[in-house]
Amino acid sequence: ETGVTQSPTHLIKTRGQQVTLRCSSQSGHNTVSWYQQALGQGPQFIFQYYREEENGRGNFPPRFSGLQFPNYSSELNVNALELDDSALYLCASSGRTGSSYNSPLHFGNGTRLTVT
Amino acid sequence: DQQVKQNSPSLSVQEGRISILNCDYTNSMFDYFLWYKKYPAEGPTFLISISSIKDKNEDGRFTVFLNKSAKHLSLHIVPSQPGDSAVYFCAAGAGSYQLTFGKGTKLSVIP
Repeated sequence: ETGVTQSPTHLIKTRGQQVTLRCSSQSGHNTVSWYQQALGQGPQFIFQYYREEENGRGNFPPRFSGLQFPNYSSELNVNALELDDSALYLCASSGRTGSSYNSPLHFGNGTRLTVT
Repeated sequence: DQQVKQNSPSLSVQEGRISILNCDYTNSMFDYFLWYKKYPAEGPTFLISISSIKDKNEDGRFTVFLNKSAKHLSLHIVPSQPGDSAVYFCAAGAGSYQLTFGKGTKLSVIP
């Protein structure tokens, strides 16, 4: 059983640019969520996808967008990058619609994005 | 407005002793709680969870206690081992998608 894999591991971008981060869900999982973890903070929910549709969104602007593909892999796109977007971006999958106490999220190792 | 708070940024414990990590929450709608452990350069790893209808859940060396009236939960690790040294995140969920995380507590277990 393969876990959640994310690419790339690290990325450096310039303010104003666009970035795409990728995630492969754990085998058998059909829900994917994205979280942003700034330095010294806990992960913050960006959005969740189920069956290729966004079915929940946190307090992030529209320049954060996503896609989920039929094979349950996913992308996070961020347009017009700002310095405050520098963070660790975590992808998580679960085997049902979202998370519950008996079906917790499984996280990948994240993509470290630095915006200069 | 932080709905999940971990007020201790760090904790040091001797190997073999008990580690107690605390978490407070403000949202009464949370119906389950989880603890995740995170090593540097890795993603958070699920440790243990508890439903709001329970007050205790145990898994090996790890026990989570929930006090709903106080809106407080704690994670007990007994006995603590050097490999337990990591950042521990408390998380809470209401319904089936968003998890709300605390800022984490860095546990150091001293051999």
